[in-house]
Amino acid sequence: DIQLTQSPSFLSASVGDRIVITCRASQGISSYLAWYQQKPGKAPKLLIYSAFTLQDGAPSRFSGSGSGTEFTLTISSLQPEDFATYYCQQLDSFPITFGQGTRLEIK
Amino acid sequence: EVQLLESGGDLVQPGGSLRLSCAVSTFTFGSFHMNWVRRAPGKGLEWVSTIDASGVDTYYADSVRGRFTVSRDNSKNTLILQMNNLGAEDTAIYYCAKSGHCGAKCSSFDDWGQGTLVTVSS
Repeated sequence: DIQLTQSPSFLSASVGDRIVITCRASQGISSYLAWYQQKPGKAPKLLIYSAFTLQDGAPSRFSGSGSGTEFTLTISSLQPEDFATYYCQQLDSFPITFGQGTRLEIK
Repeated sequence: EVQLLESGGDLVQPGGSLRLSCAVSTFTFGSFHMNWVRRAPGKGLEWVSTIDASGVDTYYADSVRGRFTVSRDNSKNTLILQMNNLGAEDTAIYYCAKSGHCGAKCSSFDDWGQGTLVTVSS
């Protein structure tokens, strides 16, 4: 199984900050990586797919990069609505796996 | 935008069974792979199962293989998860999710339902 490790697991930041979340895969997954945002009591929401493609409707302050085993999600200028938990997901092979999540909180 | 609505979550005793449904509002339901994902209390997202567009190919997490069965009725735009021999470790919110573009592999889960709660407890 392909393991995904996100770092950090917890991040405290302020409105306007630029933040980067990293997702490392235990083996190469090409660009079959997606990023999701989940808020309490809500369903996950797709932000980025194929490592760097912004989902329709997702704000342009979100961007993704990477390929192979190392990937990043960047939020260029944090907005109040961005405080949530973020997950990476690999779709290169079954079983599909998610990272453990990064909880982003307001400083 | 595609709408997905799960139902069937309930309180069930250990060893019991439950059938979850996901109604999908799109006339192209039969064109998409579909998935189940769960989130246990205090835990992260866990992929449970995937079924291809035709319903022929199915995939399961090791934690549910042999106990859960995924199926679909393309004439009724419905996805089903039959869960048997449930244990406390299956307590979670269960989400159905539609796959995004699929070539040789799929790119994402691009639409999600709001989830249905399954609680396994005596």
